[in-house]
Amino acid sequence: EAQVTQNPRYLITVTGKKLTVTCSQNMNHEYMSWYRQDPGLGLRQIYYSMNVEVTDKGDVPEGYKVSRKEKRNFPLILESPSPNQTSLYFCASSFGTGGVGDTQYFGPGTRLTVL
Amino acid sequence: AQSVAQPEDQVNVAEGNPLTVKCTYSVSGNPYLFWYVQYPNRGLQFLLKYITGDNLVKGSYGFEAEFNKSQTSFHLKKPSALVSDSALYFCAVRDISTGKLIFGQGTTLQVKP
Repeated sequence: EAQVTQNPRYLITVTGKKLTVTCSQNMNHEYMSWYRQDPGLGLRQIYYSMNVEVTDKGDVPEGYKVSRKEKRNFPLILESPSPNQTSLYFCASSFGTGGVGDTQYFGPGTRLTVL
Repeated sequence: AQSVAQPEDQVNVAEGNPLTVKCTYSVSGNPYLFWYVQYPNRGLQFLLKYITGDNLVKGSYGFEAEFNKSQTSFHLKKPSALVSDSALYFCAVRDISTGKLIFGQGTTLQVKP
């Protein structure tokens, strides 16, 4: 089944404790992206990658890191999480390098709480 | 700057009645527009998109959307609502330089029996 998977689905952590949210897609997509969803704000892009070893900042990259060492994986790293990073996170992927017609497919989401 | 607005936080409709969820956009150049739905505790599911061509776009689950260039709108519609359509709906526009989707704030659709 073609899908985007994320782990963990739920995470409660404390301020300053490094964490990684994994994202994997099995559709051989080139483009991958991370978004965060906050009430009343919709989804905002954190980082994106147009291909292996190519990553770039989105609208809200502060406090986050990503890597793209393999085509299928795009982990999101929070080196020192803070309470304002409490949010619902989505990974997404699409076939092309973000071309206008490409549909982005989303993972199930990771609900992160930072205490 | 490109943006999308969903003017209604919530839309309430009775089952069997037609529904409309509104979306307006602001872009420089051609708009590439999308609708997604989010069911409780689920990820976003793609419904439909407008890239070019016919202004009436048909999508999944009986939904359709009408692109109106003069009104810069892309409203989501369904002729007969189902209780199971109750969910959070997002309109989005594609930023062609980065590939990102720029989302509206979302509209909660509540369909009552």
